Amino acid sequence: DIQMTQSPSSLSASVGDRVTISCRASQSISGFLNWYHQKPGKAPESLIYVAKSLLITAPSRFSGGGSGTDFTLTISSLQLEDVGTYYCQQSHTLPWTFGQGTRVDVK
Amino acid sequence: EVQLVQSGAEMKKPGESLKISCKGSGYLFANQWIGWVRQTPGKGLEWMGIIYPGDFDTRYNPSFQGQVTISADKTTTTAYLQLNSLRASDTATYYCARLRGTISGGWLDPWGQGTLVTVSS
Repeated sequence: DIQMTQSPSSLSASVGDRVTISCRASQSISGFLNWYHQKPGKAPESLIYVAKSLLITAPSRFSGGGSGTDFTLTISSLQLEDVGTYYCQQSHTLPWTFGQGTRVDVK
Repeated sequence: EVQLVQSGAEMKKPGESLKISCKGSGYLFANQWIGWVRQTPGKGLEWMGIIYPGDFDTRYNPSFQGQVTISADKTTTTAYLQLNSLRASDTATYYCARLRGTISGGWLDPWGQGTLVTVSS
């Protein structure tokens, strides 16, 4: 199985800060990397697909990048509603696998 | 609006079986894959398997094969996850989610609200 490793495991930042989360795959997954946001007590929601395409329902402050094995999710200006856990997921090869998650808190 | 609505929380004893449902609406149910994902505090999110309701093509994560059965009913636009011979370690929240795109390169959107399953004697 392809292993997905996120860093950091958690972070705390202030409203308005720029935040970057990294995701590394154990082998190349081309651009088949998705990002999800799970708010406390809720189901995950899709944010970004195929590494850098923003879902139409997602705020424009979110952006994704990378290819091959290294990917990033950036929040350009952190907002209160962005708290929760962010997960990356590869859809290059079955079985699909997720990163362990990055918990984001607001100071 | 595309929606996936799952059945309610369950409490089961070890050895019992359980079938969770996921009703889709707002889109052509038969034409898009539906997947299942397990979430536990210890292992995070784990993809369990996926089904194409149109022809019942099903793919399983080898880690779950033999322990679960995924099915779908086109007439009621409902997908199912059957969990067999439950163990305490099956205590988790189970999500269904629609696949956008294809098996290779797709993404899960939207997700159901989740079904909490508790297995305890």
